[in-house]
Amino acid sequence: QSALTQPASVSGSPGQSITISCTGSSSDVGSNNLVSWYQQFPGKAPKLMIYEGTKRPSGISNRFSGSKSGNTASLTISGLRAEDEADYYCCSYARGSTFYVFATGTRVTVL
Amino acid sequence: QVQLQESGPGLVKPSGTLSLSCAVSDDSISSDNWWSWVRQSPAKGLEWIGEIHHSGSANYNPSLRSRVTISVDKSKNQFSLNLKSVTAADTAVYFCTANGYYSLEYWGQGILVTVSS
Repeated sequence: QSALTQPASVSGSPGQSITISCTGSSSDVGSNNLVSWYQQFPGKAPKLMIYEGTKRPSGISNRFSGSKSGNTASLTISGLRAEDEADYYCCSYARGSTFYVFATGTRVTVL
Repeated sequence: QVQLQESGPGLVKPSGTLSLSCAVSDDSISSDNWWSWVRQSPAKGLEWIGEIHHSGSANYNPSLRSRVTISVDKSKNQFSLNLKSVTAADTAVYFCTANGYYSLEYWGQGILVTVSS
């Protein structure tokens, strides 16, 4: 069972902003800013959207942003579009222990 | 950008060894990078298996460490996964990745491995 918790589903209308939370503990999310976020479409490989908590890889829209407060990391999608409908996973990195730990994922639905 | 392609048997017998390879293109396996294996199943979701550096240094998920070996073949520009003593619980889609900054930056398309007699 994952040590990180995400809501099973989040929905929003086109143009709205939604936020996906990723709650861990002081030993993972709260201990550093090394959370990454992945987008996955059915039958496809995950795609890196955010790394080191707040950074976007080249080519990722600035509609996607990451943040953290205490033991909770968050992914915000602004200006929601139909193409954003997918599963999103957070992942916490902790060297020397569990390294990469994924949460259970959130299904984003665009209404 | 780096391209990754998994290959190997899609069916493994219980108690056998799962062996997969990941061919790396548009980058060198000897670059200063780490390379990971990740699997995904309906029961366990996404699960990081382990990572390797071209130097041979490797790190493993503590829950799988006793059964996993990841290795590098510089001559073929690929890295490999061996998972022994498999059971039905090891049935999953297996992905290889090129690590980024404390993240898994590039992913292969994945390969479904079923453990069944």
